[in-house]
Amino acid sequence: DTEVTQTPKHLVMGMTNKKSLKCEQHMGHRAMYWYKQKAKKPPELMFVYSYEKLSINESVPSRFSPECPNSSLLNLHLHALQPEDSALYLCASSHDSSGANVLTFGAGSRLTVL
Amino acid sequence: QKEVEQNSGPLSVPEGAIASLNCTYSDRGSQSFFWYRQYSGKSPELIMSIYSNGDKEDGRFTAQLNKASQYVSLLIRDSQPSDSATYLCAVRGAGGTSYGKLTFGQGTILTVHP
Repeated sequence: DTEVTQTPKHLVMGMTNKKSLKCEQHMGHRAMYWYKQKAKKPPELMFVYSYEKLSINESVPSRFSPECPNSSLLNLHLHALQPEDSALYLCASSHDSSGANVLTFGAGSRLTVL
Repeated sequence: QKEVEQNSGPLSVPEGAIASLNCTYSDRGSQSFFWYRQYSGKSPELIMSIYSNGDKEDGRFTAQLNKASQYVSLLIRDSQPSDSATYLCAVRGAGGTSYGKLTFGQGTILTVHP
């Protein structure tokens, strides 16, 4: 299995809702990532988990809360989002977080905040 | 100065021509460099990785790295309409607070016209 699976593919939520994005990989990778991508912009790093511990938080607002329950799963909990948070959220994984390792991306979850 | 900069686009080439994409980076200690291709509405997919100075060829794609000049390029030979996409240069952080962080350039939109 060489895939990163993200669910849901599309999510529409109001500013008062609580929702979660899920990411799963079965490649034995020990590093997992969340990126945010706005239209016509490159992906921007949000969080990095290495061996199930949060190693990088790119000063992301607390309305985004990551969770790594085990080495195969990564969640992004969403609460009190703003319309400007509407974007494509990409999950990725790599063997570990050292430099040479290639990131494999999931198909993304497209989030719309009303 | 942006951490990763790509040549401004969009780039338009005729079918069968060579497309040349360029990227510079600011972190002199970076050791890992990647080119990703992203079709509209899809997630990034890896085209090439390069770690040592010189050229690396894979089919119609050649990546070139010059660490002294902090420069990475991607050549696409015999360009096909299916190569039309956004090409993202990505650089892996060398250490310190950048360790494990993959940073993308702003992307170059390539159009190959028949």
